[in-house]
Amino acid sequence: QSVLTQPPSTSGTPGQRVTISCSGGRSNIGNNYVTWYQQLPGTAPKLLIYDNDQRPSGVPDRFSGSKSGTSASLAISGLRSEDESDYYCASWDDNLSGHLFGGGTKLTVL
Amino acid sequence: QVQLVESGGGVVQPGRSLRLSCAASGFSFNKYGMYWVRQAPGKGLEWVAVIWHDGSNKYYADSVKGRFTIARDNSKNILYLQMNSLRVRDTAVYYCARGLAVYDILTGTDYWGQGTLVTVSS
Repeated sequence: QSVLTQPPSTSGTPGQRVTISCSGGRSNIGNNYVTWYQQLPGTAPKLLIYDNDQRPSGVPDRFSGSKSGTSASLAISGLRSEDESDYYCASWDDNLSGHLFGGGTKLTVL
Repeated sequence: QVQLVESGGGVVQPGRSLRLSCAASGFSFNKYGMYWVRQAPGKGLEWVAVIWHDGSNKYYADSVKGRFTIARDNSKNILYLQMNSLRVRDTAVYYCARGLAVYDILTGTDYWGQGTLVTVSS
């Protein structure tokens, strides 16, 4: 069981906006940056969002991140079929002195 | 461009050892913290270990502490993961990943290798 909690799955239709939540605590999200990764089947994770809300170059602005207190969210607007993937949040944990990943959320585009 | 290439995976019996390597290129290796992250078949990502840019500090997940050792050779731009006393539940794809920012391990990772599969089975 992950210390960072994500919904196991979510879905949306093309063009829709979906959000994925990531709930943690004061020792991780509450005091450290959050990153988000996209993992397509059979491939390595790809960085989507860093420092809570920053997009690396090349990541479409349809993807956005936010953080409030001990929770974070990833929003995907203008949903496309190619967005169907697994998404993971991550953050450092001060108590564990380690990096944590959420359990992952499988996004299905209907 | 940044490249990370893992090697050393394979099939190993429980209780045996294996050493993974990650060859880095395209960036100043000695300025970045480096991570190992694993993914069991059909499961999510699990952080394994992280090492500071100069190797002076290392941190491990509880699941591998005392059995795995992370190390690096900055003269060769190679990251290592020595895995001892392997267990069936260590079966996973092992990825190496670069820290996001220079001299920092707290902010996460950006570039990842393609992964190497470790199967622990009798």
